[in-house]
Amino acid sequence: SQKIEQNSEALNIQEGKTATLTCNYTNYSPAYLQWYRQDPGRGPVFLLLIRENEKEKRKERLKVTFDTTLKQSLFHITASQPADSATYLCALMNSGYSTLTFGKGTMLLVSP
Amino acid sequence: DAGVIQSPRHEVTEMGQEVTLRCKPISGHDYLFWYRQTMMRGLELLIYFNNNVPIDDSGMPEDRFSAKMPNASFSTLKIQPSEPRDSAVYFCASSFRTAPYGYTFGSGTRLTVV
Repeated sequence: SQKIEQNSEALNIQEGKTATLTCNYTNYSPAYLQWYRQDPGRGPVFLLLIRENEKEKRKERLKVTFDTTLKQSLFHITASQPADSATYLCALMNSGYSTLTFGKGTMLLVSP
Repeated sequence: DAGVIQSPRHEVTEMGQEVTLRCKPISGHDYLFWYRQTMMRGLELLIYFNNNVPIDDSGMPEDRFSAKMPNASFSTLKIQPSEPRDSAVYFCASSFRTAPYGYTFGSGTRLTVV
């Protein structure tokens, strides 16, 4: 069966460190992989998209890698700040489809 | 743009009652999605529309759920009759073309059925 797995345990890091979140998937052939941020009581907010033929994408302090052989994406936040504390969701779109399937997300807590 | 607007923000209703959730997508977006989020199952796609036409409703859990999009600026998700297991946060999202452009989500409707 198809699965998108993100670490269910919260990730606790200190301000200034790099946060790395993992998204693993099985039985998908994703054309696109996206990362979203969700704050309590709010809807997810789109952050970054990476295509299947791209290895890495950067946006300001954010970096996403995509390894279709390992079936894994890593999401990095460098120089993390308490304001980065949120739940981060990865989402996949299979080739030939029009919709995103989301992982359950990983909560990131950045302490001062 | 005010973003995707959902109403109400919170809804508490008794089992058996009809519930209607509303969504106004971003102007110009041609795709609209309804998702449901729970702790156990995460975000689940219920139904999506393209140019106001329902394309895939295979995620709608039962016949008690129905969705409409009478025009490009309005969609409803109706549950009739509601049951306690329908309690969740319901999100509406819209996008231009498909996911390569990212989805814009509303703030959601927290539904509690007692």
